[in-house]
Amino acid sequence: GAVVSQHPSRVICKSGTSVKIECRSLDFQATTMFWYRQFPKKSLMLMATSNEGSKATYEQGVEKDKFLINHASLTLSTLTVTSAHPEDSSFYICSAHRGSHSNQETQYFGPGTRLLVL
Amino acid sequence: DQQVKQNSPSLSVQEGRISILNCDYTNSMFDYFLWYKKYPAEGPTFLISISSIKDKNEDGRFTVFLNKSAKHLSLHIVPSQPGDSAVYFCAASAVNTGKLIFGQGTTLQVKP
Repeated sequence: GAVVSQHPSRVICKSGTSVKIECRSLDFQATTMFWYRQFPKKSLMLMATSNEGSKATYEQGVEKDKFLINHASLTLSTLTVTSAHPEDSSFYICSAHRGSHSNQETQYFGPGTRLLVL
Repeated sequence: DQQVKQNSPSLSVQEGRISILNCDYTNSMFDYFLWYKKYPAEGPTFLISISSIKDKNEDGRFTVFLNKSAKHLSLHIVPSQPGDSAVYFCAASAVNTGKLIFGQGTTLQVKP
């Protein structure tokens, strides 16, 4: 199957710093990538849809200035958590869509990034 | 507002028996449903899906049933194997949006 990578896999930072998480589709081009957040024992919550070459679309309640998304190429999307606070600590997962949106099976997930803000 | 719900946080079954994982949804615009399997500290991996025009889809040991009138779907795993132990998420989407809305997940433990 298709491979999606995330870097870093885990990061610990001090409150107030910014953290960048990369999501790469390694063997296919993805015009659309998605960013999710998962709290312990909770569902994956869609944060935003990242479209190559255009602005990301954020879900209701997600602060676009807090979570900056850049989809600079067909294989890379980045999520920057700006001025991180302890409540931003979570598991962040990206997915990359391969092919048309009509085939939902072709959404491949990265391994996730564990963020801990002290 | 939880549009996709998995009301059982955990399920334990004996190896060789059937595992039944349930999922309910509220949004009638959803027309495609998927099940994902997830291990700790890993991303979800696709397992099986079903379109709203069907009521059953089978792939090996995995079968997904959809009851549109009840807005309910279930995943049957038979026979269950210890390697099936993981968290199972159901997800729903409306066609052409690309967005997946996930349930809370059910942790399945298959005992040898």
